[in-house]
Amino acid sequence: EIVLTQSPATLSLSPGERATLSCRASQSVNSYLAWFQHKPGQAPRLLIYDASKRATGIPARFSGSGSGTDFTLTISSLEPEDFAVYYCQQCNNWPPGVTFGQGTRLEIK
Amino acid sequence: QVQLVQSGAEVKKPGSSVKVSCKASGGTFSSYGLNWVRQAPGQGLEWMGGIIPMFGSPNYAQNFQGRVTITADESTSTAYMDLTSLTSGDTAIYFCAREFRQLALTGAFDIWGQGTMVIVSS
Repeated sequence: EIVLTQSPATLSLSPGERATLSCRASQSVNSYLAWFQHKPGQAPRLLIYDASKRATGIPARFSGSGSGTDFTLTISSLEPEDFAVYYCQQCNNWPPGVTFGQGTRLEIK
Repeated sequence: QVQLVQSGAEVKKPGSSVKVSCKASGGTFSSYGLNWVRQAPGQGLEWMGGIIPMFGSPNYAQNFQGRVTITADESTSTAYMDLTSLTSGDTAIYFCAREFRQLALTGAFDIWGQGTMVIVSS
């Protein structure tokens, strides 16, 4: 089973700063790497799919990059509403399955 | 606009079972995968399994094999998640989530239900 390790566990930044979140896989993954934003009391929100494609309605300040085992979510300039928990996620071709990372908490400094 | 509406909160005894429903409205049902993801208190997201209603054969996460059954009723556009042998460790919010692509499992879950709280307590 592929394990996704996210770092850092917690990231403390101020609005307007740039956030860089990392996701490392235990072995090379296919292109099905996604990022989700999750706020308390809400359903998770798809931000990025296929490692670098923005989902519908997602602001341009969110971008994804990477391939193989190393992936990055970048938020270019933090807005107050961006403070949340972020999860990376990958999908296996075979056997079919989905794995989430443990999450990075982005908090206001 | 596709919406997923889940059934209400449940309180269950240890050893019992729970069945959560997820009704889709406003779009095509049969060709999009419906998946179940849970979040226990203070924990992260965990994929349980999914089904493409048109195909009818679910995929399950290894952690839940033998304990979870996911089904879909095309006539009512409703998916179900049945979890048996409940323990306190199954106390969580359970979400259904629709795959972005048709006829595929790629993990790009773009539409989510509101979540169903399941509490397991004696």
